[in-house]
Amino acid sequence: DTEVTQTPKHLVMGMTNKKSLKCEQHMGHRAMYWYKQKAKKPPELMFVYSYEKLSINESVPSRFSPECPNSSLLNLHLHALQPEDSALYLCASSQGADTTTGQPQHFGDGTRLSIL
Amino acid sequence: EDQVTQSPEALRLQEGESSSLNCSYTVSGLRGLFWYRQDPGKGPEFLFTLYSAGEEKEKERLKATLTKKESFLHITAPKPEDSATYLCAVQASNSNSGYALNFGKGTSLLVTP
Repeated sequence: DTEVTQTPKHLVMGMTNKKSLKCEQHMGHRAMYWYKQKAKKPPELMFVYSYEKLSINESVPSRFSPECPNSSLLNLHLHALQPEDSALYLCASSQGADTTTGQPQHFGDGTRLSIL
Repeated sequence: EDQVTQSPEALRLQEGESSSLNCSYTVSGLRGLFWYRQDPGKGPEFLFTLYSAGEEKEKERLKATLTKKESFLHITAPKPEDSATYLCAVQASNSNSGYALNFGKGTSLLVTP
């Protein structure tokens, strides 16, 4: 069982809807990430939070809005999405980013998002 | 520019037929190389971290090795349950996105009984 929990597992929404994806981890990790993954492709980084502060935004459209309420929770607010935004959205966490050696990221099972 | 290339794209093995997956990388300063397994509809599952050339890690039928230019994931006597996509990712020490994982495109492994 994964230690990163994402809800909902599936989401279908229209282009005018507003919805949120949620992610929770209880491993004491201080870095959290959102990735987007299309079928048969590797995950693509969207956002990085380090110590609850947004540190990286990989040129993601403003219709995606991340939020980190505390060190265990990460949200992704969605508004006015396009059909091409349909994908698997993955959350991940790692111990922290201020280390000299790379730390593995631990992924949740994702939210399968479909835009009608 | 950092690059990660995995080969082959797809691999079909008979149960018990050992083989290796390759991950070639180009990075200016390796902070870590990571192997993941991903099953359909699931998130990537962390397998191994390798930090320096010569390092090896083992877990059940899997063994990961690292040189200065590539990493191998050796699968010994695979079973059908080893069927999955195996992803390699590198983290560079000089990247502006210091935390970012640069993924290869993956190797899709199918093990038949």
